[in-house]
Amino acid sequence: QKEVEQNSGPLSVPEGAIASLNCTYSDRGSQSFFWYRQYSGKSPELIMSIYSNGDKEDGRFTAQLNKASQYVSLLIRDSQPSDSATYLCAVNIWTGGSYIPTFGRGTSLIVHP
Amino acid sequence: DVKVTQSSRYLVKRTGEKVFLECVQDMDHENMFWYRQDPGLGLRLIYFSYDVKMKEKGDIPEGYSVSREKKERFSLILESASTNQTSMYLCASSLPGELTGGLAFFGQGTRLTVV
Repeated sequence: QKEVEQNSGPLSVPEGAIASLNCTYSDRGSQSFFWYRQYSGKSPELIMSIYSNGDKEDGRFTAQLNKASQYVSLLIRDSQPSDSATYLCAVNIWTGGSYIPTFGRGTSLIVHP
Repeated sequence: DVKVTQSSRYLVKRTGEKVFLECVQDMDHENMFWYRQDPGLGLRLIYFSYDVKMKEKGDIPEGYSVSREKKERFSLILESASTNQTSMYLCASSLPGELTGGLAFFGQGTRLTVV
């Protein structure tokens, strides 16, 4: 079983702080990694993808990848109450017929004013 | 605007009924997925399909079947609905490649209640 692990949280941070969300994965052959955000009662939506070791920045979001340590993280700078959501880490897995995403259980983030 | 559309937002069915959940995507994606999501359990893959008429079991296929007769449509079937199938059901689609397989687009979800 190829697994993706996340701390379920909740992670509570004050408004304006940096939120750090972490994810580890078991399939050493994985090459593509994704972060999704899911608001309560809504569907997941893709916010970041990362394929190479290092950092990838998009506005207030930075994804970090370390393939040697099998570790992916998402940093949210200047956190806002509107960032309060569950964040899902996904890793691309080869099934023998196609590449498909395998999701972690998600980390709940609460940003309090 | 890309779209994955599920046929119902809310559904209430009786125990023992045969239930059909329909999903249509307009992005010409090869991959389509059915997940269920329950509090504390995350997204659990029921079935997926990477081509027309192809289907693969996910992590929790028991009590479900699927049909994919056309590329854009993927149906989930509950053969005999039970109360433990009360859940949020999410359909998604993606391209099949090594860089794109995980770029999934989700439908709005169907909240199914079995009474």
